[in-house]
Amino acid sequence: GQSLEQPSEVTAVEGAIVQINCTYQTSGFYGLSWYQQHDGGAPTFLSYNGLDGLEETGRFSSFLSRSDSYGYLLLQELQMKDSASYFCAVKDTGFQKLVFGTGTRLLVSP
Amino acid sequence: DTGVSQDPRHKITKRGQNVTFRCDPISEHNRLYWYRQTLGQGPEFLTYFQNEAQLEKSRLLSDRFSAERPKGSFSTLEIQRTEQGDSAMYLCASSLASDYPETQYFGPGTRLLVL
Repeated sequence: GQSLEQPSEVTAVEGAIVQINCTYQTSGFYGLSWYQQHDGGAPTFLSYNGLDGLEETGRFSSFLSRSDSYGYLLLQELQMKDSASYFCAVKDTGFQKLVFGTGTRLLVSP
Repeated sequence: DTGVSQDPRHKITKRGQNVTFRCDPISEHNRLYWYRQTLGQGPEFLTYFQNEAQLEKSRLLSDRFSAERPKGSFSTLEIQRTEQGDSAMYLCASSLASDYPETQYFGPGTRLLVL
């Protein structure tokens, strides 16, 4: 089977940096994606790692280590609007579906 | 680009009734996905279409569920004889197979409540 583990909740203050980790176990692997979802909203794509290393997109960066089956999402200069749930998701080789983790709820306080 | 749209946004039904949801993907996208999400969980894959062909189905998709994408554009998801356990958010996503990375863009979802 496939499973992805994330911390259930992370809290931080405005302006801080936070890292959300994701470890995965899959029979095959074809990339790690990160999605943001505000309460009642749709998941919104943030970042993708197909190869090892760091991908940077503005205030958000994502890292992947395929040998460790591990990735993280780094959010810098936190803003109140970053309060949301963050999901890592993997695509298995030979399949198109995304398998999502249970999500990390990020709470940003003033 | 108007994004992925879903209709209705909310549906309340009584147990045993049939419901149908519609998804309109981003216009040039050839792949369309249905997921289900319950409170506090990540989306779970239900099924996937490439153009009009249904290529993957989850074991979650019991025989009470059927999905179609008749002309390779919009899709419908029907649930027959609804049960209280079907209460969830039903999300549709679309993607373009030739994109790299192939990113799935999600619609706002249809929230189903079965009484």
